[in-house]
Amino acid sequence: GAVVSQHPSRVICKSGTSVKIECRSLDFQATTMFWYRQFPKQSLMLMATSNEGSKATYEQGVEKDKFLINHASLTLSTLTVTSAHPEDSSFYICSATTGDFLYGYTFGSGTRLTVV
Amino acid sequence: GENVEQHPSTLSVQEGDSAVIKCTYSDSASNYFPWYKQELGKRPQLIIDIRSNVGEKKDQRIAVTLNKTAKHFSLHITETQPEDSAVYFCAATINQGGKLIFGQGTELSVKP
Repeated sequence: GAVVSQHPSRVICKSGTSVKIECRSLDFQATTMFWYRQFPKQSLMLMATSNEGSKATYEQGVEKDKFLINHASLTLSTLTVTSAHPEDSSFYICSATTGDFLYGYTFGSGTRLTVV
Repeated sequence: GENVEQHPSTLSVQEGDSAVIKCTYSDSASNYFPWYKQELGKRPQLIIDIRSNVGEKKDQRIAVTLNKTAKHFSLHITETQPEDSAVYFCAATINQGGKLIFGQGTELSVKP
């Protein structure tokens, strides 16, 4: 089946620094990648949608200059949290689909970000 | 904007009983409705899905029903087992492959 590898699984960073999270589709081409944020005991909140080679589309209330998304190839998308603050501490998870929806929505394993 | 409402937020049942979780959606154009099970700190796992041209779908102990007129869909789990305990999320999207909007989640507890 389709696999999306997400790294790192856990990261602790100092306030004011930037953190990059990677999602790679290992055995399929991810035409579209979605990025979600999940706070403890809450739902997955969609942050942005990115299509390979295009600028990401951000959901209302999500700062595009703070959460930089790059989807430069059909197998790699990255989310960079810039100038992280403690309130950015959360579980970040990606989800990928192919243009023909052959594998449905394939989720990465998630990244637990803690900003201290 | 698109919105998915899910109820109840917590559900406790005895082993062997049935559990029902309900969701409503706002966008009449939504046509794909998956259900996910998520264990703490893990990725969501697809357990069943339904498309708008179908009213009901069943997979062993799990079934999903869809009422497009009322814009609501439900997850039914029969003969619940302790290992069914987890958080369950409904979701909806316009077109397969479109952005997936999640409900608030239901924490299901199955007591032995």
